[in-house]
Amino acid sequence: NAGVMQNPRHLVRRRGQEARLRCSPMKGHSHVYWYRQLPEEGLKFMVYLQKENIIDESGMPKERFSAEFPKEGPSILRIQQVVRGDSAAYFCASSPMGREQFFGPGTRLTVL
Amino acid sequence: TQLLEQSPQFLSIQEGENLTVYCNSSSVFSSLQWYRQEPGEGPVLLVTVVTGGEVKKLKRLTFQFGDARKDSSLHITAAQPGDTGLYLCAGAGGGGADGLTFGKGTHLIIQP
Repeated sequence: NAGVMQNPRHLVRRRGQEARLRCSPMKGHSHVYWYRQLPEEGLKFMVYLQKENIIDESGMPKERFSAEFPKEGPSILRIQQVVRGDSAAYFCASSPMGREQFFGPGTRLTVL
Repeated sequence: TQLLEQSPQFLSIQEGENLTVYCNSSSVFSSLQWYRQEPGEGPVLLVTVVTGGEVKKLKRLTFQFGDARKDSSLHITAAQPGDTGLYLCAGAGGGGADGLTFGKGTHLIIQP
């Protein structure tokens, strides 16, 4: 049973470009969470999704950030018009029943 | 805002010694999870504790959940260099957000 997959592992964007981060949950897991880890900071919750639904986006910045988890395919975290402050490691976690969360290897986003 | 305070932030000890790291909060959590994170990787789940006063053992690691479900500890017996890493505690169900609330972690170095 493969673990949580994230791609790309590293992403470099220039200011103003769009970043798309993908997450494939573990097989059988229907709950997906996105977290951001800034340098010297702890992991911060961004958004919680189930298939085709956003359940909780209380940690997501109101502008430029969006997330989806379509019926088919991976979950996508989309950042529009990236700024240098968006540089961070973005982690996706999946869960079978909404309690224990299993994390992917992360995507390291660097904004030039 | 819920906070999980982890202490110490940094700990460097010799192989064979015992150690305890702490995770404290003023909030009650429905469960608490401990993770270990290696540089450039995602957090790996070690254990989940749910019941106040619960103790779980994982080889040389002993995890305890406080009676009031606000704090937890991780005790490592006879530490080995392979235990080196960032140890994170994360609380679930402590407030409105569905995501985990993470502490900043304890950076543990075990010197041979």
